Amino acid sequence: EDQVTQSPEALRLQEGESSSLNCSYTVSGLRGLFWYRQDPGKGPEFLFTLYSAGEEKEKERLKATLTKKESFLHITAPKPEDSATYLCAVRYAGGFKTIFGAGTRLFVKA
Amino acid sequence: DAGITQSPRHKVTETGTPVTLRCHQTENHRYMYWYRQDPGHGLRLIHYSYGVKDTDKGEVSDGYSVSRSKTEDFLLTLESATSSQTSVYFCAISPESSNSNQPQHFGDGTRLSIL
Repeated sequence: EDQVTQSPEALRLQEGESSSLNCSYTVSGLRGLFWYRQDPGKGPEFLFTLYSAGEEKEKERLKATLTKKESFLHITAPKPEDSATYLCAVRYAGGFKTIFGAGTRLFVKA
Repeated sequence: DAGITQSPRHKVTETGTPVTLRCHQTENHRYMYWYRQDPGHGLRLIHYSYGVKDTDKGEVSDGYSVSRSKTEDFLLTLESATSSQTSVYFCAISPESSNSNQPQHFGDGTRLSIL
């Protein structure tokens, strides 16, 4: 079954405490993996697209990496404003089809 | 930010009543999507559109219908709302074709409660 699984479901960090979020997928023919940030009461906001294993993208304190079966979102020295839900989505062979993970809720305490 | 407006932002209604949610875009993108988001689930696709009057079903389409009479507007209708349709509904847009790898961009959602 085609699936996208994110872990952990929730993560609590102290400000400055680096960590990683995981997105694993079981689809064939990956066309792209997307990371989004979602704040309460808002829609998902696009962060990164990764296309192939070994690719990395960075934006401020966030760095996304991709292997053949999973992606990591590394958060370096997080700040309270990084608190949000981070969503992973996978587009795969078959055209438009995109599967979203359930997300990781990140809480960063000052 | 992508120009996507969803209306209403919040709605409370009763079981059995019809409900229509609207998504309006100013980006002239070809593809528009309706998703629902529920706790413990990822975003799930209800219906999508690949052009004016061109629509197709997603994975959770039962009980929902859509229409797109103009490029900029995509309507989602619950013909007879049920409590299981209580959810947050998101509209998304993307440019180009279904084979492109462009990300989808989302509106801020409609919180729908059906009592």
